[in-house]
Amino acid sequence: KQEVTQIPAALSVPEGENLVLNCSFTDSAIYNLQWFRQDPGKGLTSLLLIQSSQREQTSGRLNASLDKSSGRSTLYIAASQPGDSATYLCAVMAGTASKLTFGTGTRLQVTL
Amino acid sequence: SAVISQKPSRDICQRGTSLTIQCQVDSQVTMMFWYRQQPGQSLTLIATANQGSEATYESGFVIDKFPISRPNLTFSTLTVSNMSPEDSSIYLCSVFTANYGYTFGSGTRLTVV
Repeated sequence: KQEVTQIPAALSVPEGENLVLNCSFTDSAIYNLQWFRQDPGKGLTSLLLIQSSQREQTSGRLNASLDKSSGRSTLYIAASQPGDSATYLCAVMAGTASKLTFGTGTRLQVTL
Repeated sequence: SAVISQKPSRDICQRGTSLTIQCQVDSQVTMMFWYRQQPGQSLTLIATANQGSEATYESGFVIDKFPISRPNLTFSTLTVSNMSPEDSSIYLCSVFTANYGYTFGSGTRLTVV
């Protein structure tokens, strides 16, 4: 059974810092991995999708990497801003359109 | 990516009543997914809704409690029936596309009193 873990569970950083969020999964046979952000009481916003054949994806200040063999992904946020404060979730998919297995989430707070 | 309109965004309901949540997608999709997120928890898949067939429920979820309709390829509803305070959660619908992965609706925040 796939298990997805995110470290740290919570993180508080001053504005402008670069930071890394970690995601690990136990079964390396994944179809893809997706990073989401969730604001309190809201739905999920997709940030980056990494197909199993890819090593990384970039969008603006965000960069996500994937190392299938070691069962790890990282989300790098450059020059953090207070608006980045949210919970970040990674999720893996075993096959096309199969259900997602979510990580435990990292709650990020960026302070002024 | 697909755009999903979900409503209501929030509701406060009396125990014993039912609430129907609607999701409208701006493109045709084969499968729609319904998730629940209990307070402080991650997301749990309730069921997968296919057009033209009965929904497939995950372990621990039953059709009598969470009936789902999927009348066409762009619309689905989830009903939370005979509600109790334990049903207080955020409910989300989602669709999958090969290019963009999963897209989620904005969520329905349900409080049962």
